Amino acid sequence: EPEVTQTPSHQVTQMGQEVILRCVPISNHLYFYWYRQILGQKVEFLVSFYNNEISEKSEIFDDQFSVERPDGSNFTLKIRSTKLEDSAMYFCASRGRLVQYFGPGTRLTVT
Amino acid sequence: AQTVTQSQPEMSVQEAETVTLSCTYDTSESNYYLFWYKQPPSRQMILVIRQEAYKQQNATENRFSVNFQKAAKSFSLKISDSQLGDTAMYFCAFMGGSQGNLIFGKGTKLSVKP
Repeated sequence: EPEVTQTPSHQVTQMGQEVILRCVPISNHLYFYWYRQILGQKVEFLVSFYNNEISEKSEIFDDQFSVERPDGSNFTLKIRSTKLEDSAMYFCASRGRLVQYFGPGTRLTVT
Repeated sequence: AQTVTQSQPEMSVQEAETVTLSCTYDTSESNYYLFWYKQPPSRQMILVIRQEAYKQQNATENRFSVNFQKAAKSFSLKISDSQLGDTAMYFCAFMGGSQGNLIFGKGTKLSVKP
């Protein structure tokens, strides 16, 4: 069964460093999403991507964040200058018609 | 703005028993979709069940069923014959017809006890 994959599973970085989180969505899906979940809190929407452009973004998704689909298969989330408060689980999801399927997540720890 | 409320932070149930998790939402949209996702300790988000708002019939997936009350904006999840593997966080989520992103509730931590 097709699934969404994410790499790395865990990333540790120092404050101020750039990180890139990678996702491979399900191949015939057209809609892609990033969500984050701070430990013990609810899952929050960051951004959605369709037809090679951002379709929606939340207040969280400020100028330090960017997304890209560089090669038709990967979908990346870049955080330019990480802050301590960026420590969270980051989930990628893809959608075909209705249901969003989530990847296993990347745990980002900013020290 | 849409909101999703899960009023039960934690619940527990004995194995083989039935448990119901509550969810209410607020929206002005007429076309929308509702979901329950399960997050076990591995933290993977797994779809449990979905409901299209235009369908009056309540969705069912094996031991999982929903009670969708559109007028009351309520969407509860019933788990029958609870199993130890059902132990997880359960998140209720809303997706508007005009938007694609999910809006999640804060979750209910369910513990199934042997």
